[in-house]
Amino acid sequence: DIVMTQSPDSLPVSLGERATINCKSDQSVFYDSNNKNYLAWYQQKPGQPPKLLIYGASTRESGVPDRFSGSGSGTDFILTISSLQAEDVAVYYCQQYFSPPLTFGQGTKVEIK
Amino acid sequence: QVQMVQSGAEVKKPGSSVSVSCQVFGGTFSSYPFAWVRQAPGQRLEWMGRIFPPLGTTTYAQKFEGRLTITSDKSTSTATMYLSSLTSEDTATYYCARVRSQWLVSGFDAFDFWGQGTVVTVSS
Repeated sequence: DIVMTQSPDSLPVSLGERATINCKSDQSVFYDSNNKNYLAWYQQKPGQPPKLLIYGASTRESGVPDRFSGSGSGTDFILTISSLQAEDVAVYYCQQYFSPPLTFGQGTKVEIK
Repeated sequence: QVQMVQSGAEVKKPGSSVSVSCQVFGGTFSSYPFAWVRQAPGQRLEWMGRIFPPLGTTTYAQKFEGRLTITSDKSTSTATMYLSSLTSEDTATYYCARVRSQWLVSGFDAFDFWGQGTVVTVSS
């Protein structure tokens, strides 16, 4: 199984400031044949299902604010929230869909400092 | 807009089985794969398996092989998850999720729509 590890576990950020979440996989999730990274980011608020933010490591899902961006390739990925808003308080998960079983990171809790 | 509505909360005894259904509205049920993902209290999300309704083909996480069955009914646009031989470790919120790529027969992709979640509690 591909192990996904996020850092930090908790991230206090002031409103309007940048939040950066790291995700590392223990195997590459990059497919040479189509030049794609099989990596997604989700946001989960209490009592709600996860919401897709980013797929393909860097493609923003329709309707997701452009303050959310994804970067990275291979085994190291970053989710950036450029200017934290109050509604961004949530747990964020990375997920690989390169090979089954699909696996998720342990989550990063973003809160207001 | 796609809406995925799951069945209600369940309380089960150890050793029993549970089924959770997921009815899909507003989308083309028969051209997308659907997956089941669970989340135990305070734990990370865990992928259980997926089904491709046009063919009825399934892929299960090895961890659940032998006690997980996922089915689909195109006439009602419903996917159903059956889990047997329950233990307390199966206590979790179970989600259905749509795979974002149409006609993805055997590959994998991210999940763009999710059900609201169904709480399954296993307790004696």
